[in-house]
This record gives sequence, C-alpha cells and structure tokens, in this order.
Amino acid sequence: AQSVTQPDIHITVSEGASLELRCNYSYGATPYLFWYVQSPGQGLQLLLKYFSGDTLVQGIKGFEAEFKRSQSSFNLRKPSVHWSDAAEYFCAVGDPGYSTLTFGKGTMLLVSP
Amino acid sequence: DTGVSQDPRHKITKRGQNVTFRCDPISEHNRLYWYRQTLGQGPEFLTYFQNEAQLEKSRLLSDRFSAERPKGSFSTLEIQRTEQGDSAMYLCASSPPGLAYEQYFGPGTRLTVT
Repeated sequence: AQSVTQPDIHITVSEGASLELRCNYSYGATPYLFWYVQSPGQGLQLLLKYFSGDTLVQGIKGFEAEFKRSQSSFNLRKPSVHWSDAAEYFCAVGDPGYSTLTFGKGTMLLVSP
Repeated sequence: DTGVSQDPRHKITKRGQNVTFRCDPISEHNRLYWYRQTLGQGPEFLTYFQNEAQLEKSRLLSDRFSAERPKGSFSTLEIQRTEQGDSAMYLCASSPPGLAYEQYFGPGTRLTVT
C-alpha cells in the first residue's frame, strides 16, 4: 500500500526567507504526486501536481516542487515566504490505477515577522 | 461561488444520534469523493462516486456509514448511531471528467459527537 511521510509537523520561517517542506512517499512505481494547502476554515487547495515528465513542477502562489525518484521525495519549495503562506501543507500520492489520494499528516507552516 | 459546497459547516450531536451531511460538487464534475480528517492527520479516503455509481469504499467506512449520490449531482453522507470516534472533519471533493486527480475540495463539515 502506498504511504506518505511528512517528517516535519511544524516549521517556522521568517518572512522573506526560503522554504522547503519535505515529503517522502512509498509506492512501487512512479506515483502521481500532489501538494495541497489548507488554511483555517478553508478547504484544501491544490498547489501543484506531478504526473510525469519534467521533475521540477511549478504551481500556484510561487511554489514549486521537485520529484526525485532515487530519494522517493517530492519536496515543496518557495524562494521567499509571505505571511499569507502560513497554513498547513499536505503532500499526497495517487495510485494511477485508482482515483483516490493518500495524504501525509501535514506540516504546519508558521511565518514569523 | 461555483466551488464545492458542504452543509452544514458544523454539527454537534449526541452519541447514538444519526446525522446527514450534504455535498454539492462543482457543476459538471462527474466524480465526487468523501474524505475524513481527524486532528493532526491528513484526510483519509472514505468513498467516491462516478456519476451516481459508488465505485469504491474504504475499510474506514463501517456499516454505520452510508453515502448516496442519487442523480449524479449532490451527495449525502449519513452516519447512524454516532460514536465519539466519529468526531472529525468530513471533506467532500469533486473532479472533472478525465481529470480524476484534479480534486477540488469543499470547506468541510466539522462533526462533534458528545
């Protein structure tokens, strides 16, 4: 069965600093990979997705993620964090044979002034 | 607003009572998903529909849970004889034809069982 690990429960970043959120997955083949963001009282919003091809994918709000097969990782990055980026971030994996997503436990991003 | 909507947003109920939640997907999205999210966890898949057909159910979906999507539009999720362990956020998502992984989520229904 596929699984997703987000090793960091909380991360605090200064506004304007760079950000990297870690995600590792377990899956037998190349999965479909996703990052979602969830703000308080809001639904999950899709930031970006990887299906195949270029391993560096660009998303909304200035986020990008890089798929590294050798490390089974799909880390999320942003060069300069804004206070409005404070939220919880979820990495998810989709099995190409099914239509469901398996999520990690999430990383809460706090942005300090 | 043409996003996924869920009703109610909050529900407090006593143990043993039945509750029903509604989800209205984005118009013309043929797939609809239900997930459950507990504190400190990511969303966990419960079930999904393609049009009116329920195609997959998770082991998490005990026989006290039932979901319907009678006309392939809105969906309901009913929990019978609620237990305290059912307290969670219930999330609904929908996706357009041919793009099953483009899942758009609603704001969720937070259930508290006392």
